[in-house]
Amino acid sequence: NAGVTQTPKFQVLKTGQSMTLQCAQDMNHEYMSWYRQDPGMGLRLIHYSVGAGITDQGEVPNGYNVSRSTTEDFPLRLLSAAPSQTSVYFCASSPGQGVQETQYFGPGTRLLVL
Amino acid sequence: GENVEQHPSTLSVQEGDSAVIKCTYSDSASNYFPWYKQELGKRPQLIIDIRSNVGEKKDQRIAVTLNKTAKHFSLHITETQPEDSAVYFCAASHGGATNKLIFGTGTLLAVQP
Repeated sequence: NAGVTQTPKFQVLKTGQSMTLQCAQDMNHEYMSWYRQDPGMGLRLIHYSVGAGITDQGEVPNGYNVSRSTTEDFPLRLLSAAPSQTSVYFCASSPGQGVQETQYFGPGTRLLVL
Repeated sequence: GENVEQHPSTLSVQEGDSAVIKCTYSDSASNYFPWYKQELGKRPQLIIDIRSNVGEKKDQRIAVTLNKTAKHFSLHITETQPEDSAVYFCAASHGGATNKLIFGTGTLLAVQP
C-alpha cells in the first residue's frame, strides 16, 4: 500500500491564482481531512469528510473548498490564493467507522503564495 | 468548540533525562487523546494515544497520563535520546462519527547529547 499520497510536493502561486492540492489513500479509509501547519500554530483542521459524498468544515475553512466523490480521493481547492494561505498542507485519513482511530498523514504540500 | 493548549513550546533536556509535555482541553465531551511526533521536514506520526476510560498508558520509554476531572493530559518520555528530538503535538477528539482532531500548538523537544 502507498498509504496517503499528496501532490504536488511544492507549489508557488501568485495572488489570485487557483489550484487544487491532491490527496489520495489506498487503505479504504472512510475518514479524510485536510490540515494546514503554520509556525507556532500547530495543525489546524480545514475540512474533513466522513465518507464519499459527505464533507464538513473544520477550524479554518475560509478560502478552501473540498469534495469527496470517491472513497480514495479528497482534493483541496484554493479558488483565489492569498499570501495568508502560504503554509504546509497535510492530508490525513483514518478508518473511521464511528470509532476513534489513528490518523495517517500524507507527506505534505508546501505552498508559497506571492 | 474544542480548544487544546500545550506547554511548553520549547523544551531542552540532557540525554538520559526525562521530558514532560502538558496539554489541557476545554470540551469535557472529548474522549480520545493522541500524541504525534514530527521530525524536521517529515509528516506527523502517532506515537501513543489514550482513551477516556484509561488513566495511564505506557509504551517502553513513553507514557501518557489523563486527568479527566482537570481536563489535562501529559506525555512523559524517560531516558531521552538524541533521536527523540522533534516537535510533539497533542490532540483531542470527540471520536464518534467524525474523529475530528483538534491539535495543540506543539512542543519542540531538543535532547542535548
